[in-house]
Amino acid sequence: GAVVSQHPSWVICKSGTSVKIECRSLDFQATTMFWYRQFPKQSLMLMATSNEGSKATYEQGVEKDKFLINHASLTLSTLTVTSAHPEDSSFYICSVPEGETQYFGPGTRLLVL
Amino acid sequence: GESVGLHLPTLSVQEGDNSIINCAYSNSASDYFIWYKQESGKGPQFIIDIRSNMDKRQGQRVTVLLNKTVKHLSLQIAATQPGDSAVYFCAVISGGYNKLIFGAGTRLAVHP
Repeated sequence: GAVVSQHPSWVICKSGTSVKIECRSLDFQATTMFWYRQFPKQSLMLMATSNEGSKATYEQGVEKDKFLINHASLTLSTLTVTSAHPEDSSFYICSVPEGETQYFGPGTRLLVL
Repeated sequence: GESVGLHLPTLSVQEGDNSIINCAYSNSASDYFIWYKQESGKGPQFIIDIRSNMDKRQGQRVTVLLNKTVKHLSLQIAATQPGDSAVYFCAVISGGYNKLIFGAGTRLAVHP
């Protein structure tokens, strides 16, 4: 299946700062990528669908102005957490669909102090 | 809307035994199901999938069973090994654009 990477693997930032997370599809051109968030001991929750060349589609309850998504090319989507707060601390994971199956990146651990 | 749940939050098994992890879903129109394995601090790893036109599919040491009548699927792992210790999620395709709905997850602990 698709090979997906994320950068950085973990990040610590101060409250109020912005953090950018990259998701790369290494061997597959993806017009669509997905961003998930996972809190400790919980399941994955879909945040948004990243669409190459157009606006992202956000799930209900996810603030589009806080979680900025840019799908600049067929292999790269970025998620920027703006004005991060401690409650944004979480594990952020992206996925690339290949057919109906989704292949996930290794995740990015964000800790906001 | 779709909801996906698991019957047991934690499953402890002895090394070499078979493991069965269960999952229930609510939307009878769901037609594609995936099992993922997630190790601590890592992203989910695809294990096996099944479509609604099948009731059983086998992989290497894993079997997925689908019972559409009661909207239930299970993941069977044969000869469970310590490396199988992880959290297992079932996921269901819901809506367009391949949107996945994840179950709550079952932690599998394998004891020597």
